[in-house]
Amino acid sequence: SQQGEEDPQALSIQEGENATMNCSYKTSINNLQWYRQNSGRGLVHLILIRSNEREKHSGRLRVTLDTSKKSSSLLITASRAADTASYFCATDEGSGNTPLVFGKGTRLSVIA
Amino acid sequence: KAGVTQTPRYLIKTRGQQVTLSCSPISGHRSVSWYQQTPGQGLQFLFEYFSETQRNKGNFPGRFSGRQFSNSRSEMNVSTLELGDSALYLCASSLQGVETQYFGPGTRLLVL
Repeated sequence: SQQGEEDPQALSIQEGENATMNCSYKTSINNLQWYRQNSGRGLVHLILIRSNEREKHSGRLRVTLDTSKKSSSLLITASRAADTASYFCATDEGSGNTPLVFGKGTRLSVIA
Repeated sequence: KAGVTQTPRYLIKTRGQQVTLSCSPISGHRSVSWYQQTPGQGLQFLFEYFSETQRNKGNFPGRFSGRQFSNSRSEMNVSTLELGDSALYLCASSLQGVETQYFGPGTRLLVL
């Protein structure tokens, strides 16, 4: 089955800087979601963007979606040490109740 | 509302044994999905149950099975454990399926 691919695999930045992560996928989708996972714990939903949306904001998060390029980006502005986590994109395959498919994630380290 | 709970949180088994993991979804959620997370393979979809019926199944051997009860609580069972089954097993619930998923903290299984 298709799988989103996040890029980069790992990212290290200083507190206060912005962090950008990218996700590419292979087939048409209904929506794309971003999740965060703190080390060894469950995932937390961050934001969902539908295929007919191009940009969405939630607090310090900004997500863009380019369906023509089959890609999405997650921008975290003014990062904090607490943002240190792995970030995953998840897509559905757009054909009914098919399961979400997760990428392998970007490991973000924010250094205080 | 209480979040998704998973029991047990940690488990150590030996090869050949079987294991049962439990997941209690958020009240009112009818969909429960199970995922296996390993460093090498990332998050892989196991199966999804909706109103006591398996609606989707991932590409895992028949040793992996699950069920859902009338109160939406779900269990997954792994028989004849192998070393490669060592992983974090995550359960997620949602109202209908592929929209926002709410994850539990996971069960970390170690097979010796």
